[in-house]
This record gives sequence, structure tokens and C-alpha cells, in this order.
Amino acid sequence: AQSVTQLGSHVSVSEGALVLLRCNYSSSVPPYLFWYVQYPNQGLQLLLKYTTGATLVKGINGFEAEFKKSETSFHLTKPSAHMSDAAEYFCAVSFSGGYNKLIFGAGTRLAVHP
Amino acid sequence: NAGVTQTPKFRVLKTGQSMTLLCAQDMNHEYMYWYRQDPGMGLRLIHYSVGEGTTAKGEVPDGYNVSRLKKQNFLLGLESAAPSQTSVYFCASSPRYGGRETTGELFFGEGSRLTVL
Repeated sequence: AQSVTQLGSHVSVSEGALVLLRCNYSSSVPPYLFWYVQYPNQGLQLLLKYTTGATLVKGINGFEAEFKKSETSFHLTKPSAHMSDAAEYFCAVSFSGGYNKLIFGAGTRLAVHP
Repeated sequence: NAGVTQTPKFRVLKTGQSMTLLCAQDMNHEYMYWYRQDPGMGLRLIHYSVGEGTTAKGEVPDGYNVSRLKKQNFLLGLESAAPSQTSVYFCASSPRYGGRETTGELFFGEGSRLTVL
């Protein structure tokens, strides 16, 4: 069975500071891993994904994430936070043959203050 | 470019009433999904469809029914609404798996907020 745990339901950073959102997964088969972002009153949109190959993946808006199999982690980072990054972020997992069904973590709300 | 459209966007029901949420996508995607979003629980899959005329249960299917009579539409029905079904419902679609490029990229609607009193 697959599951996702996001550490910290709320994270607050200063503008210009490092953003680190944590995600750990559990999967009995090789996982595909994703980060989605949700802005207020909107649907989710894909930030980045890991399927195979390079373990450091870059996404939109300057975000990146690194797949670490030994730690079963897929943490999301951004070197310098912008006010526009304030949103809710969801880590998700799927697997080959799973019809793209995503299993989501509980989400982390990122606040960015001046 | 509409993408995924959900109607209605807001609805208030009384316990025991029925209703249908409509999802329409114009991207010719094979796969469609209904999720519910509740605070502190992320999104949970209710039902999904891998093609016209097919449906399957997700993680939390009880109390819901779905139909996919046309490829572009996916309907979610509540036969007898309960307060526990108060939630924000998201429809999403995805192309058939075609390799790494299409893996996991779901396209979401803007959500339908349902309140059951």
C-alpha cells in the first residue's frame, strides 16, 4: 500500500528565506512522486514530478525536489521565497499501472511574510 | 481554453436531499476522477473512470455514485446527502498513460463547495 506523510501542516517563512516542505512516502512498489500547489479558491496544479532517472527534479516557479530512496523522502525546496508562493502544497504518490490515481498527503500551508 | 469545468460551484443541501455534480473536460482525456478535500486530510479519491462507460471505486466511495456516459463528462451523485459529505469536491482528468511525460499529471477543476445541513 502507498501513503504520504507531510511534516508540518503550516510553515511560515520570511520573504527571501529558504523554503523547505517535507514529504515522506511509503510504497511497496517503485513510486512516482509529485508536488502540487493549490492557490486560494483554485484547483491543484502540478509543480514537479519524479518518475525515473535524475533524482533532483526542477519544477515551475523555482521549486525543486530530490528523491531520496534510502530516506523514502521527496522534500520540496526553493532558495528564496516570494510573497506569491503563499499557497497550500500537496505531496502525492502513484505507481506504474495505477491509472494515474494519486494518493495525497494532508498538505502544508505555506505563509510568506515580509 | 476551458480545461476541466465543474458545476455547480456552490450548493447547500438539507440532509436526505439528492444532487449531482457535473464535470466536463475538453482535452479528450481518457481518465477522470472525483476527489473530496477536507481540512487536514488532503484529497481523497471517491471514484474514477478509465474510459467511457467505465467506473471504479476509490478510497472513499460510500454514499456516492458516478456515471461516465460520454467521454468528456463524469457525474458524481449523492442519493441521500449527509452532513459528513460537507466538503469541497474536485474533478480531475488525465490522459492515458503514455510514458513519463504523462505520468501523474492530473488537470483539476476549480472545485465545488457542498454544504449539507
